[in-house]
Amino acid sequence: QKEVEQNSGPLSVPEGAIASLNCTYSDRGSQSFFWYRQYSGKSPELIMSIYSNGDKEDGRFTAQLNKASQYVSLLIRDSQPSDSATYLCAVRSGAGSYQLTFGKGTKLSVIP
Amino acid sequence: DTGVSQDPRHKITKRGQNVTFRCDPISEHNRLYWYRQTLGQGPEFLTYFQNEAQLEKSRLLSDRFSAERPKGSFSTLEIQRTEQGDSAMYLCASTQPGGNTDTQYFGPGTRLTVL
Repeated sequence: QKEVEQNSGPLSVPEGAIASLNCTYSDRGSQSFFWYRQYSGKSPELIMSIYSNGDKEDGRFTAQLNKASQYVSLLIRDSQPSDSATYLCAVRSGAGSYQLTFGKGTKLSVIP
Repeated sequence: DTGVSQDPRHKITKRGQNVTFRCDPISEHNRLYWYRQTLGQGPEFLTYFQNEAQLEKSRLLSDRFSAERPKGSFSTLEIQRTEQGDSAMYLCASTQPGGNTDTQYFGPGTRLTVL
């Protein structure tokens, strides 16, 4: 059973702070990793994808991947109230499978 | 409109009725996926098409569920004899062909309520 674990939160940070979201996965053969943002009642929206160990930056967002530790994280710098949402970690195991396995998501609240 | 579209956006039905949802992927995206999401959970994979071929099916996809993509373009998901436990958001996603990209782009979803 492939599993993706996230702290459900809620995670509260003040406006302008760094929000750190974490995710672990069970399938060591996983190849592709994604962070999606989901506002209440809406569908998931892609924020970042990462495939190699290390950091990947895109604007205020930085994804970090450590395959040895089976760990992926998302940092949001200069957090804004509009960042308040549920953040979903998703993993594709590869090996001919294209399905994504999602965590339950971490709810982030950015306090003005 | 260049995104994934789904229809209807909301569906209320009585237990035991059949429902059908439609998904139109991003143009030229050859891979299409269906997921189901219940409150407080992440999306759960249901099935996946590459062009018109259904290549993966989850054990979640019981005999009451069937999906088709007859011409490799839009897809339909049918639920027969709906149950209250089928109440969820049904999400469709698509991926462009080729290369190393496997990023899935989601549509707005169809919210099903079974009374």
